Order: sequence, then structure tokens, then C-alpha cells
Amino acid sequence: EVQLVESGGVVVQPGGSLRLSCVASGFTFEDYPMHWVRQAPGRGPEWVSFITWDGDTTSYARSVKGRFTISRDNSQNSLYLQMNSLRIEDTAVYYCARNPPDYFVEGYYFDSWGQGTLVTVSS
Amino acid sequence: DIQLTQSPSFLSTSIGDRVTITCRASEDISSNLAWYQQRPGKAPKLLIYGAVTLQSGVPSRFSGTGSGTEFSLTISSLQPEDCATYYCQHLQGYPPIIFGGGTKVEIK
Repeated sequence: EVQLVESGGVVVQPGGSLRLSCVASGFTFEDYPMHWVRQAPGRGPEWVSFITWDGDTTSYARSVKGRFTISRDNSQNSLYLQMNSLRIEDTAVYYCARNPPDYFVEGYYFDSWGQGTLVTVSS
Repeated sequence: DIQLTQSPSFLSTSIGDRVTITCRASEDISSNLAWYQQRPGKAPKLLIYGAVTLQSGVPSRFSGTGSGTEFSLTISSLQPEDCATYYCQHLQGYPPIIFGGGTKVEIK
């Protein structure tokens, strides 16, 4: 069974930093590109960041570019999101999500999701 | 960026009813669309990708149609567990990856 378990969400002050983690199991993690997707309270999902299976290619939403960094450690079956210069509008549940392997053909979508971790940015 | 507009934004309907949700793209996206179901307090769940392909394990009462700029998600006979918010999502054109605004389905 595919499992994605996020952790690291806390209450943090504006301008602060945080690192989220996602541990994968039930599949060969190194074969899959991965994403972070967030959802603010009462809002729809918002894509945040993407990383290829080998970590060589990353991309970011305009709203987080230059502040957030996605990375992965395939030896630990883990995905990370380093979040710096946090803003109140970054408050959301953050999900890690798996993309099917052949994204060049199939496209970018999310076939498995974690349960999410809540990040609250507040003074 | 391509925009995805879902309609209606809210739907109140009865058990056993046929339900259709529409997603319109601001330009031609071929068949590059996915649909998700999100139950309250849960993560989204993939229902359909490639506009028409049912994800493994998803009940056959769910179906997707469309291509180009107009797409639909149909639930052939609404069940109580289908009370959820449904989102469409564009598969290509990344970055960014775009979602529709959502359709909340409520049971009368």
C-alpha cells in the first residue's frame, strides 16, 4: 500500500523558517517525481513545488519562488520542503503528492497524497 | 496561464441522482485534465486522468468526458459517500499546475 506521511508543521512567526518532511513507503520512491501541494483554510488546492525522481529538476509556484526549496533523499525515501521568509498567506495544510513516473507523456498530476501537515504563520 | 472554471460551485442533490460537473478551460488543453474528490478533512483523491481514464479502485459510477475546452465529471447514481468537493486540474502547461475552483456536492 502506498503511504506518504508528512511532518514538521507548526505555528511559526512571519519571517520565520520551517522544514517539512514526507516519508514514503509501499512503492519504489526513487522511480517517482514528487510534489508539494498546499491548501489554505476554506480554499482549493494550490500546487507549490515539483522535483524529478533524481532531484535534478525542480520548479516552484510564483508565490513561493525564492523562498521555498524542495529536495529529496532517495536513500531515506524522503521528500523535503525548506520554507524561509514565511508569510501569513503561507498558512495552509501542506501535502506531499506522488506523480506517475512518465510525466513527459502522462503529464503532471497526483496519484497518491499524504494526510497533510498544518503550517500556521502567525504573530 | 490557462484558467479552469468549474460549474456549478455548489450542488444540492439526492441519493441516486445523476450528477454532472463541468470544467471549462480558457484555451484548448486536449485531453490533459484530471478530476479529484476531496471529502471533508481529508486529502484529495484522484478519480480520473487524461479526461476519461478511471483511476484504479475508483467506482464505475464515476466517469469523465470531454476534450479541448469543455470537460465533465458525471456520477451516475449519487451515493452518501460522494458528499465531497470535486476539483479539476490541468495536466500540462506546468509550471504552474492549475486547479479549478471546486464544486461542492451536498446531499439533500
